[in-house]
Amino acid sequence: EVQLVESGGVLVRPGGSLRLSCAASGFTFGGYWMSWVRQAPGKGLEWLANIKQDGSERFYVDSVKGRFTISRDNAQNSLYLQMNSLTVEDTAVYYCAKETDSGGHFDYWGRGTLVTVSS
Amino acid sequence: DIQMTQSPSTLSASVGDDVTITCRASQSVNRWLAWYQQKPGKAPKLLIYKASSSLESGVPSRFSGSGYEKEFTLTISSLQPEDSAIYYCQQYQSYGFTFGPGTKVEIK
Repeated sequence: EVQLVESGGVLVRPGGSLRLSCAASGFTFGGYWMSWVRQAPGKGLEWLANIKQDGSERFYVDSVKGRFTISRDNAQNSLYLQMNSLTVEDTAVYYCAKETDSGGHFDYWGRGTLVTVSS
Repeated sequence: DIQMTQSPSTLSASVGDDVTITCRASQSVNRWLAWYQQKPGKAPKLLIYKASSSLESGVPSRFSGSGYEKEFTLTISSLQPEDSAIYYCQQYQSYGFTFGPGTKVEIK
């Protein structure tokens, strides 16, 4: 059974940093592109970033370029999101999502981890 | 970035009705369009990909998709109580992938 479990979401001050983790199991983690998607309270979904199987390619939405960094450790079956210079607009549930074989869309999602940015 | 819109934003229908949600892209996405269902407090669930393909398991056959380039539809045939949810379309023609704003489906 595929499982994705996010962790690391906490209350952080504006301007602060945070690192989210996603522990994957039940599939060959190193065989798939992985993404982070977020959802602000009561709002829609926003794709943030993805990373190729071997970590050699990464793509970001413009709103987080230069502030967020996606990475992975295939030996640990883990996905990460380093978030810097956080603002209140970054308050959201952050989901880790597995892309399908053909890429670009997501067949498995974690339950999400809540990041709250507030003073 | 490609902008996605959905209509209606909310729809209310009775059990057994057929309902259709429309998704439009600001430019062609070919057939690189997915649909998701999200229930309160849960992660989204993939229903349809490549505009009209559905997963082999876990997605009832009453969900179907169609469309090409800039206009797409998700149809729920014979609406069931458990279909009450928010439905999102998502384009993956180009980075950054973008989602529509969602359509809330309510059961009368």
